[in-house]
Amino acid sequence: DGGITQSPKYLFRKEGQNVTLSCEQNLNHDAMYWYRQDPGQGLRLIYYSQIVNDFQKGDIAEGYSVSREKKESFPLTVTSAQKNPTAFYLCASSSSYRGRPDTQYFGPGTRLTVL
Amino acid sequence: AQRVTQPEKLLSVFKGAPVELKCNYSYSGSPELFWYVQYSRQRLQLLLRHISRESIKGFTADLNKGETSFHLKKPFAQEEDSAMYYCARPKGKGGNKLVFGAGTILRVKS
Repeated sequence: DGGITQSPKYLFRKEGQNVTLSCEQNLNHDAMYWYRQDPGQGLRLIYYSQIVNDFQKGDIAEGYSVSREKKESFPLTVTSAQKNPTAFYLCASSSSYRGRPDTQYFGPGTRLTVL
Repeated sequence: AQRVTQPEKLLSVFKGAPVELKCNYSYSGSPELFWYVQYSRQRLQLLLRHISRESIKGFTADLNKGETSFHLKKPFAQEEDSAMYYCARPKGKGGNKLVFGAGTILRVKS
């Protein structure tokens, strides 16, 4: 383990509040990803970034925002516009694409609960 | 759209029995396919990918293009194999984005 960290481990939010989840990696990976994990639905891609200062929406980006100001960091903000934010959030990173998709390395996750 | 289907939410077997976790993918030529595993209280991690043709922890997976399947198999299940297993494939042409199946919980009973 190690290499990619997420904080906090547990996060509680009141309705109407924005919260930011942290993701940091020291693997020197160019690409980073945010997934949402819900029972029975697998992992769904929220946002991804292939390089610093660039990111793209995934399949379920509504109500979320990200930034990629540093190679090591890819924070995710869950806004009040996200209708059902209670979930387990996973961050991952990988090397740059070189003709074949590379292994993704995952963080330990953050469990967000909206009260 | 690329899809990955894991038809079983839960697979329960006895220790020593054979295991087959099913995965079917939507057809698009010769995709890369992966199995990721999440053990209790551990991170999601790569188990194997078809291009490597490896056997990891006794698990193998063969790509069947005719059936568009990539089932994960192990001849003799162990209790430590109990985990959540996800099948995944690239999303679109090029790039590292993956699309994951819904996952299958494997429970190995003693």
